[in-house]
Parts: sequence; structure tokens; C-alpha cells
Amino acid sequence: DGGITQSPKYLFRKEGQNVTLSCEQNLNHDAMYWYRQDPGQGLRLIYYSQIVNDFQKGDIAEGYSVSREKKESFPLTVTSAQKNPTAFYLCASSISPTSTDTQYFGPGTRLTVL
Amino acid sequence: EDKVVQSPLSLVVHEGDTVTLNCSYEVTNFRSLLWYKQEKKAPTFLFMLTSSGIEKKSGRLSSILDKKELFSILNITATQTGDSAVYLCVHQGGSEKLVFGKGTKLTVNP
Repeated sequence: DGGITQSPKYLFRKEGQNVTLSCEQNLNHDAMYWYRQDPGQGLRLIYYSQIVNDFQKGDIAEGYSVSREKKESFPLTVTSAQKNPTAFYLCASSISPTSTDTQYFGPGTRLTVL
Repeated sequence: EDKVVQSPLSLVVHEGDTVTLNCSYEVTNFRSLLWYKQEKKAPTFLFMLTSSGIEKKSGRLSSILDKKELFSILNITATQTGDSAVYLCVHQGGSEKLVFGKGTKLTVNP
């Protein structure tokens, strides 16, 4: 079945450590996105990629990094520079970044920094 | 299975018109209903609704939730061409699961 997968579902890390969240899609979508969600807030865009080997910063990119070496994969690294990394992270994809196609979201990864 | 149904799926209006977008939901563990505006790229967060009967307002946009009747509406007054977008209604349940409606594609013609 086509869809978006994120792993792991739950992730714990110690302060000062970098951690990478996985996002894979087999929908053949060009565009992929990373969002962060905190309690009481809507989704906030971290990074997005419109095409392979290209990505742009979103609203809250500081302390994060991404890569888009393959169309189906868009991993997010939460670095030690991110001051408040504990949050729920959602990855999404859409057919094309230039259309108004709905974004399809993965199940999310809950990151907790101890 | 949780579901969110938006109507209409598509709407075309003229500048200055007022529009009402509908969102009904059937969920097992309601927590909040979110409205997003999606243009060419990522969706932009508009409102989060958790309490029934309390209108949230931002400029020409407003939204309200009816938890008894299980629906929400998004109103846009004095529409402008910049309001053209897909408007997403999203339910967030207690397990962080997001359930999306299919969206309403609004086109505002000059």
C-alpha cells in the first residue's frame, strides 16, 4: 500500500545529542515537508523540499537540518542547537509543490529529550 | 474509524462575497479541530477549536465549533483573490492521530 512512514514512533534522547527522524514515502510525490507540533499549537513548518537535492527553510528551521538525496526519503536531524526539541514531529508529502494538492501526513514521531 | 468530511469540495465566488466552509466529523476521542489554509506550499495554520460555541476570529476569517452537532464552519467575509486556496479541516485525537478532511478548494475571481 502507498503511504508515508515515519520511524521511530517514540524517541528519547539526552540533551546534547543529535538525533535523526526518518520519513519515507512511496507515493511518488515530489514535495515533502517536516512539521513540529507542540501542545496547544498548530503545525509549524520546519523544512520543506520541492524536489530531490533541494530544500528550503520553513518557519522554525533553527536547530534542524535535512537532506533529500532520494525522492522517497526526507530525514530530519534534530541537533543539539535546538533549544526545545521535545515535540511531536510530522512528515508530509504532496504530489507537487506548485499545486494545491492536499498534503498527506505520516503517523508522526514523538521526541522526548531527557 | 474516525473521519472528517468537508463540504463543498470546490467553491467559486467573486471578490467581496462571503463564504462558509463546512466540516463535520465522527471521531472516538475528540481533542481539537484545526483549520488550515493551503496554497502552493505548506498549509498555514488558521484556527484551533477545542470548545463549543466560542468563535475564533482573525481578520476576515472566523470559525466556530459545535461539539453537540459535531461540526465546524469557517467563514470568510469580503473575500479577496488572495483567499483562493484549499482549506483543510483536521481533527486531532488524543493519540496525536491527525484525521484530515479532503479540503475545500476555494477560488475567488476578481
